[in-house]
Amino acid sequence: AQKITQTQPGMFVQEKEAVTLDCTYDTSDQSYGLFWYKQPSSGEMIFLIYQGSYDEQNATEGRYSLNFQKARKSANLVISASQLGDSAMYFCAMRVTYGLTGGGNKLTFGTGTQLKVEL
Amino acid sequence: ETGVTQTPRHLVMGMTNKKSLKCEQHLGHNAMYWYKQSAKKPLELMFVYNFKEQTENNSVPSRFSPECPNSSHLFLHLHTLQPEDSALYLCASSQGAELLNTEAFFGQGTRLTVV
Repeated sequence: AQKITQTQPGMFVQEKEAVTLDCTYDTSDQSYGLFWYKQPSSGEMIFLIYQGSYDEQNATEGRYSLNFQKARKSANLVISASQLGDSAMYFCAMRVTYGLTGGGNKLTFGTGTQLKVEL
Repeated sequence: ETGVTQTPRHLVMGMTNKKSLKCEQHLGHNAMYWYKQSAKKPLELMFVYNFKEQTENNSVPSRFSPECPNSSHLFLHLHTLQPEDSALYLCASSQGAELLNTEAFFGQGTRLTVV
C-alpha cells in the first residue's frame, strides 16, 4: 500500500521568506510520481509541481522547487519569496503505476499543511 | 479556471433525498475521478473512470452511485445519505488513469451537507 505523510498541520512564514513543507512517502514500487497541490479557501486543487521517481534532477517550477531525496523517501516542497497569495492548504500526493503491489492508478494524498503567509 | 466544472457548488440534502452531483471537463482527458474530502482527513479516492469504464471502486457504500456517460461528463448520484457523508466532493480529470506523470486537474468541488 502507498502512504503519504505530512507532519506539519500548520506553518507560518513571513512575506518574502522561503518555506519548506515536508512530505515523506512509502511505496514498494520502483516507478512512481510525486505531486504537490495547493488548495485555497475556494476549494479547488491547483497542481504545482511534479517529480518522477527516475528524474535525477529536482523539479522546479517558478518559485516552487521540490527537494527530492529518494533514499530517504522524502519530497519536500520549497516555496521561495513567499507571497500573501500563497496562504492555502498544500497537499503532497503520489501516483504509482499498475505494479506488482496492485497500486493501480490511485493518486494518494497526504493530510495537508495549512500555510499562512504574514506581513 | 482549471477546465473542470462541478455543479452545484453547495448542496444541502435530507437523509431521504436523492440528488446528483455533476462534473464536466473539456480538456480532452480520458480519465475522471471522484474524491471525498472530509475535515482533517486525506482526500479519499472514491471512483475512477478510464475511457468511460469504471476501473476503481474504493469500497464506497452503494448509496453513492457514479455514472460516466462519456469521457467529458461524470455524475455522482446520491440517495439515503448519512450525516457523516457531509464533505467536499471533488471531481478531477487527467489524460489517462494509467499514465504515471500526468497531473490531475480538479474542479472547485461540491460542499455537501446532509441533515
